[in-house]
Amino acid sequence: DAGVIQSPRHEVTEMGQEVTLRCKPISGHNSLFWYRQTMMRGLELLIYFNNNVPIDDSGMPEDRFSAKMPNASFSTLKIQPSEPRDSAVYFCASSSLSGSGSETQYFGPGTRLLVL
Amino acid sequence: KQEVTQIPAALSVPEGENLVLNCSFTDSAIYNLQWFRQDPGKGLTSLLLIQSSQREQTSGRLNASLDKSSGRSTLYIAASQPGDSATYLCAVKDNNAGNMLTFGGGTRLMVKP
Repeated sequence: DAGVIQSPRHEVTEMGQEVTLRCKPISGHNSLFWYRQTMMRGLELLIYFNNNVPIDDSGMPEDRFSAKMPNASFSTLKIQPSEPRDSAVYFCASSSLSGSGSETQYFGPGTRLLVL
Repeated sequence: KQEVTQIPAALSVPEGENLVLNCSFTDSAIYNLQWFRQDPGKGLTSLLLIQSSQREQTSGRLNASLDKSSGRSTLYIAASQPGDSATYLCAVKDNNAGNMLTFGGGTRLMVKP
């Protein structure tokens, strides 16, 4: 398996522009997570999905952020309009819900976003 | 709300030294605890996962312990190597938090040749 795939790997945009980050989870995994990592705040969970359904979006900073998972193999995180304080590395991760207690999350390489 | 703290934030050691990284958490009602490694510019890779009923897990030169009652975990790295240089994060899954993990701030380790 290719692992979790994220695109783009790097994104530079201007304040006010729309940004769309994409994620393809590992095949067969039924949980998907979006994280944001900054030096100041560390790694923060933004939202996660189980079986394509959003379960907890309490970490989404504000209404400018939205996430969708139209099917089991694709998810998007959209920021509209983007602001300089959104600059961070955004990670997508996936895992399986086996119930064994040993499920780990597999992380993608991240998208480094810079909003000017 | 669960809070996870890692001390120290950064650590520099000479090659060959044995070292211990610390992780503490405020709510002991956890489902499991994991240690991850993050290399610069990369995503996180899971190293060890300890279920709440376990006391420790070992993988090669790595040993992770868990003391739920005191809210602590340690990651022991034996005979450190320059290739161990990375940031190490611990993460806790709570009993009532679904599939969510709460991460610590990480310890940035540098092993000098």
